[in-house]
Amino acid sequence: QQQVKQSPQSLIVQKGGISIINCAYENTAFDYFPWYQQFPGKGPALLIAIRPDVSEKKEGRFTISFNKSAKQFSLHIMDSQPGDSATYFCAAMRREYQGAQKLVFGQGTRLTINP
Amino acid sequence: DTGVSQNPRHKITKRGQNVTFRCDPISEHNRLYWYRQTLGQGPEFLTYFQNEAQLEKSRLLSDRFSAERPKGSFSTLEIQRTEQGDSAMYLCASSARQGSYGYTFGSGTRLTVV
Repeated sequence: QQQVKQSPQSLIVQKGGISIINCAYENTAFDYFPWYQQFPGKGPALLIAIRPDVSEKKEGRFTISFNKSAKQFSLHIMDSQPGDSATYFCAAMRREYQGAQKLVFGQGTRLTINP
Repeated sequence: DTGVSQNPRHKITKRGQNVTFRCDPISEHNRLYWYRQTLGQGPEFLTYFQNEAQLEKSRLLSDRFSAERPKGSFSTLEIQRTEQGDSAMYLCASSARQGSYGYTFGSGTRLTVV
């Protein structure tokens, strides 16, 4: 069962443009929503994360927007650069104090920034 | 290097053979995870250790899979009687403690079963 749906599957953006990737989740028990960046041959690296008590979080050129009522969140990359070309995954977690704190990942978005 | 280390990076094996992967987490991290990532998909949770105790296993982890974390340090993931469907990237991750939700992933072991 797909608990986190991500779109688009692939995205091409011109250098300097805004890249937008969207995710939707089903399980309202999720309370931590990270985004990961993965380059070929590497493991995913944490980029930015948000908790559902805030609607937006910004770190440098990366912003997460969160809509709790719609159960949707998105990643915006401002002034996109060729070095941002990678696969991006949204994820969700239920922060169980004693539990496994498993991440449920979306299917991924392959982002290409054209110079 | 203070990251999560996984060995080998690549493994090609014949169907029916057994394989073992190793993960060395960040030394002060007591939580260790194994995930599996198939081509074009996001990682999927396999199993979780807190110190040396294996506290949760996914139904994806069939009886042919076994994971250990002796002494709460490094971990091994063994797959017995490999099948072509086992071909994937096996990712290890660690995190520091309860209340710390950001995993650090290793670069993974890519398994190809021929």
